[in-house]
Amino acid sequence: NAGVTQTPKFQVLKTGQSMTLQCAQDMNHNSMYWYRQDPGMGLRLIYYSASEGTTDKGEVPNGYNVSRLNKREFSLRLESAAPSQTSVYFCASSVEGNYGYTFGSGTRLTVV
Amino acid sequence: GENVEQHPSTLSVQEGDSAVIKCTYSDSASNYFPWYKQELGKRPQLIIDIRSNVGEKKDQRIAVTLNKTAKHFSLHITETQPEDSAVYFCAALRNTGGFKTIFGAGTRLFVKA
Repeated sequence: NAGVTQTPKFQVLKTGQSMTLQCAQDMNHNSMYWYRQDPGMGLRLIYYSASEGTTDKGEVPNGYNVSRLNKREFSLRLESAAPSQTSVYFCASSVEGNYGYTFGSGTRLTVV
Repeated sequence: GENVEQHPSTLSVQEGDSAVIKCTYSDSASNYFPWYKQELGKRPQLIIDIRSNVGEKKDQRIAVTLNKTAKHFSLHITETQPEDSAVYFCAALRNTGGFKTIFGAGTRLFVKA
């Protein structure tokens, strides 16, 4: 039972490049989330998926897109990376959206 | 929009002392309040939570209190130990019309041996 698995763990991009962050959970959770963590700003919600087939914007969705591929997988895509997207990205999942989150180990992304 | 304010941003205590972290939320529809602990370089982990129909919850050395009228909730850690050193995040969630959890900015707790 791996919980929430994120890949990659580290990534360096050049401005304008694109990439997809992958997230998968094996806990049969309905809801999945993408957060970014910046120093002094806590965790800010980028996008979430309350259930398979639905996605919604969070606090800071600009510059990102998501896909809920199936119940297990929720990916985050940066179409044209910018230095302001340098951050640590966490994927999380929860039961019914009502309960505490299980977080992935994070992706440290640097855009130069 | 929804907001969660957390204080203090940094807290330093002597081993064995108590630590208290306070949060205030703005969305009156919030009904679930978790606390997460994040050690350096690691993922946040849920340590305790409280629902809006409960005023206090305790789990060994940690406790959380909730005042819905004032929209305040607090984390209390007693008999602190060096391994309690970490960043602690409070959060508020409403499960009506969406499932968004809003996090506070975090409190860095140092426990000095």
